[in-house]
Amino acid sequence: EAGVAQSPRYKIIEKRQSVAFWCNPISGHATLYWYQQILGQGPKLLIQFQNNGVVDDSQLPKDRFSAERLKGVDSTLKIQPAKLEDSAVYLCASSLGRLRAQYFGPGTRLLVL
Amino acid sequence: AQTVTQSQPEMSVQEAETVTLSCTYDTSESNYYLFWYKQPPSRQMILVIRQEAYKQQNATENRFSVNFQKAAKSFSLKISDSQLGDTAMYFCAFIALSGNTPLVFGKGTRLSVIA
Repeated sequence: EAGVAQSPRYKIIEKRQSVAFWCNPISGHATLYWYQQILGQGPKLLIQFQNNGVVDDSQLPKDRFSAERLKGVDSTLKIQPAKLEDSAVYLCASSLGRLRAQYFGPGTRLLVL
Repeated sequence: AQTVTQSQPEMSVQEAETVTLSCTYDTSESNYYLFWYKQPPSRQMILVIRQEAYKQQNATENRFSVNFQKAAKSFSLKISDSQLGDTAMYFCAFIALSGNTPLVFGKGTRLSVIA
């Protein structure tokens, strides 16, 4: 069974630039999550999708972050414009449901200069 | 709001020895799940073990077991016969069954297994 795929693995940008991350969840997983993991901390949920609908985006900085999940499968997370404090690892995860085990992708390490 | 606290930022253990990682949580919920996730260096996070709060029996998964103390809101992870491959960040996480609250992670404990 293929795992959660993410790209790119690394990205370096300058502040005020834009960046996009892509995630392909495990086939059949209805629930998809984007987390932000700052160095030395646990992952923090940014947004949760159930199929192609948003369940929770309460911690997503909506003035600069956006996310979509087209057709309930792949998802993209965008930051525009990026700030220095956005430097982090962005993790995508998927699960069969909210209470089921989450399977994580390898993450995208973002450095904003 | 639920919070998860891991009071040990770093720990080390000799290969083949046993180590226990601590986790406490704060919640007013009575029904919830608890998890331990492992994040090896430069590798993806994987689930180690899960505990349902309504179960009194502690979960066990091969060399990994938990000590779940519901009244004390404590959920420690014991790793027996530690192996070099156990070197990783370990995160404790909590999710309430009610509502749509997300999985909440602690800050993690960095475990180093020494040969």
